[in-house]
Order: sequence, then structure tokens, then C-alpha cells
Amino acid sequence: QITLKESGPTLVKPTQPLTLTCTFSGFSLSAKGVGVGWIRQPPGKALEWLGLIFWDDDTRYSPSLSNRLTITKDTSKNQVVLTMTDLGPVDTATYYCAHTFPHFYFFDSWGQGTLVTVSS
Amino acid sequence: AIRLTQSPSSFSASTGDRVTITCRASLDISTYLAWYQQEPGKAPKLLIYTASTLQSGVPSRFSGSGSGTDFTLTISRLQSEDFATYYCQQFYTYPHTFGQGTKVEMK
Repeated sequence: QITLKESGPTLVKPTQPLTLTCTFSGFSLSAKGVGVGWIRQPPGKALEWLGLIFWDDDTRYSPSLSNRLTITKDTSKNQVVLTMTDLGPVDTATYYCAHTFPHFYFFDSWGQGTLVTVSS
Repeated sequence: AIRLTQSPSSFSASTGDRVTITCRASLDISTYLAWYQQEPGKAPKLLIYTASTLQSGVPSRFSGSGSGTDFTLTISRLQSEDFATYYCQQFYTYPHTFGQGTKVEMK
């Protein structure tokens, strides 16, 4: 059974960076074809695709966030880390991590999400 | 980026109704489309992928069709647990964009 859980701060001050950790079980991020992605959802709004990290350390980012976003993995800890710099109020959202279907990279298992509020 | 436009944005329906939601892509994406259901306060759940393949465990009243730029999600007989918001997502090219969502409300 695949499970994922996001953790990190619930409140971040404007201009500060955000670091979120996705801890997962039930799969290995070193297995070929496997990926973990990040998605966010501002309150009352639609889902926004942020990026992916693949089993081979390759990454893909949303072009609108690529200069602020970094996704890394620690395979030994079964963790994926999202780092976003220079946060603003528009970054207030529930952040989800999710496991990708092998080789196609849509999301077949999701974490519960964590709400991050950007406010002074 | 490929834009996905869902229609309608929201609508009301009754249990037992046949419901159809449309997703239109701004470019040909073949069948690289997934559908998700999101209940209030919960994470999205995968329903359908590659436009028409039902995810394991998803009730057979859900079905998907389409290819190229036009896709549909159909719920054959709406159940009480189906009142939720539905999203399409393309995985043809990065970024793997989502549609804006369709909220199905109880009439």
C-alpha cells in the first residue's frame, strides 16, 4: 500500500523560503519509472501542478515557478523535499505530494495535503 | 503550456442522474488525460487515466472517453458520494496542467 504524508510549517512570513517534506512508504524512489510530484491548491481554487522528481534524479518544474522551486529526494529516508523561495500571499495553498503512475507520471496516490499560509 | 478547459464549471444534479463533464485541450494530447475526484477537504482521487482506463477500485458507473482535444467524464447514475469537484489533467507534455474543475452539486 502506497502512502504519502506532507510535513512542514503552516505559517511562513512573506519573502521567506518554504521547505516541505514528503515522507512516503510502499514504493522505492530508486525503482525505474517511479516519480513523486508536488501539486498545490489555493483555498477555493483549482489544482496547480508544481513539479516532479524521477527515480534518476531528473526533475521537471512548472515554468511559472522554475526560478523559485527545487525538488530533491533522499531515497534512503523515503523522502522528497520541496523548497520554494521568496514566498508571497499568492503562495498560500494546500500543498500535496503524490506518487506517479510508472512511466506516465499522472498521480495515482496522494498525500493528505498540508495548508501553508503566507502572512506576516 | 497546454490549457485544459472544463465545462461546465459547476452544475446541480440529482441522485440517479446521468452526468457528463467535458474537458477540452488547447493542443492534441492523444489520450494522455486523467480524471480526478476531489471531495471537500480531501485530497484528489484518481478515477480514470489514458482517457478511458478505470483506476482499480473505482465504481463502473464512472467512464471516460475522447482523444485528441475533446474528452468526457460520464457518471452513469449519480450517487450521493459523487457530489464533488472533478478535475482533468493532461500528461502529454510538461507542465502537466490541470483543468479548472467542475463542481457537481446536489439539486
